[in-house]
Amino acid sequence: EPEVTQTPSHQVTQMGQEVILRCVPISNHLYFYWYRQILGQKVEFLVSFYNNEISEKSEIFDDQFSVERPDGSNFTLKIRSTKLEDSAMYFCARQAVSTEAFFGQGTRLTVV
Amino acid sequence: QKEVEQNSGPLSVPEGAIASLNCTYSDRGSQSFFWYRQYSGKSPELIMSIYSNGDKEDGRFTAQLNKASQYVSLLIRDSQPSDSATYLCAVRKDSSYKLIFGSGTRLLVRP
Repeated sequence: EPEVTQTPSHQVTQMGQEVILRCVPISNHLYFYWYRQILGQKVEFLVSFYNNEISEKSEIFDDQFSVERPDGSNFTLKIRSTKLEDSAMYFCARQAVSTEAFFGQGTRLTVV
Repeated sequence: QKEVEQNSGPLSVPEGAIASLNCTYSDRGSQSFFWYRQYSGKSPELIMSIYSNGDKEDGRFTAQLNKASQYVSLLIRDSQPSDSATYLCAVRKDSSYKLIFGSGTRLLVRP
């Protein structure tokens, strides 16, 4: 059973459109992360979210990106105006403080 | 200098052999070390974590950490074809909770 569930599994969108990727933790963890992996490249950290606010973000996480936990359960990553280079696998991960990170199954985002 | 370096491989071993995967890191502030397995098109799956110098064994897997040499390794005993995957090394600094990944080593286990 996955630690977190991500939806959708695959999203195709046109350049310039907004996308929202969703993550639903199985248990009530406080720390959540978004990572991405461009095809053939390494997994890269995007942002961490703790206690309903951003605790850390990378240079990749610019103004086009935002995260929120709108209903106290789902955890979302929004890309406001997608670019071709946003095409990647996006992974949500949950982690308790100072322990291992467990990844969801990922959302494959294809920007055309 | 890359923060976490791994040989991209592929590392090819026969079934039943020991596979040895290596990883070096540049930041001495790194405190936690992880090995993930990733099958093509899938998400990273945690195999091992190690936090102190020495060896840590879990079934067929042994993680080894040498902080003085900034080196962490993963040994897979009795390798099986199902172990064929990309193995990702990840480190976490004491000052941050994010994981920094290497590019991964592709392992091929020949039947």
